[in-house]
Amino acid sequence: AQSVAQPEDQVNVAEGNPLTVKCTYSVSGNPYLFWYVQYPNRGLQFLLKYITGDNLVKGSYGFEAEFNKSQTSFHLKKPSALVSDSALYFCAVRVPIQGAQKLVFGQGTRLTINP
Amino acid sequence: DGGITQSPKYLFRKEGQNVTLSCEQNLNHDAMYWYRQDPGQGLRLIYYSQIVNDFQKGDIAEGYSVSREKKESFPLTVTSAQKNPTAFYLCASSPSWQPQHFGDGTRLSIL
Repeated sequence: AQSVAQPEDQVNVAEGNPLTVKCTYSVSGNPYLFWYVQYPNRGLQFLLKYITGDNLVKGSYGFEAEFNKSQTSFHLKKPSALVSDSALYFCAVRVPIQGAQKLVFGQGTRLTINP
Repeated sequence: DGGITQSPKYLFRKEGQNVTLSCEQNLNHDAMYWYRQDPGQGLRLIYYSQIVNDFQKGDIAEGYSVSREKKESFPLTVTSAQKNPTAFYLCASSPSWQPQHFGDGTRLSIL
């Protein structure tokens, strides 16, 4: 089965420090990977995607993600964390279904940035 | 502004009652999706629709029903057969093979 895993339920980082939110994937074929962010009582906002090409993908709000095929990982990173980055982060993989597509999500990682 | 509107924001269901969650989009997207979010479980796909008058079951369709009579609208009905309906429900849409856009969700609770 095609899936993604987020091994950490919670990540705490001090403001100004670099942050990493981990994601590993298990797919057959080429993976199409996504990161979304969710603020309280809101929907998900798209941050970035990896389809093909450069292994370092840049996205919204200063976030980037590194695709590593040998380690089957797609970790989300930011060089300097802001308190406003505190939110729930989801990694997802796109899976083809009957001529359409669906997203399979990890369970989410709650990121807390401490002032 | 273009986007996805879900209503109501909060909804309460009585025992044996069917309730309908609204999802409207003005992004001219062909595909629409319904997800259920429970704490610690991520999002799970309930139903999806690629075109008008066509929809398919997702991973957890039991106890739910949908319709797609217009491109802009994809309402979800939570029937009395859904024994554990308390959750946060998210609607999404996308053009073909592009990232999905999400609404702000409806939180359903049991009275």
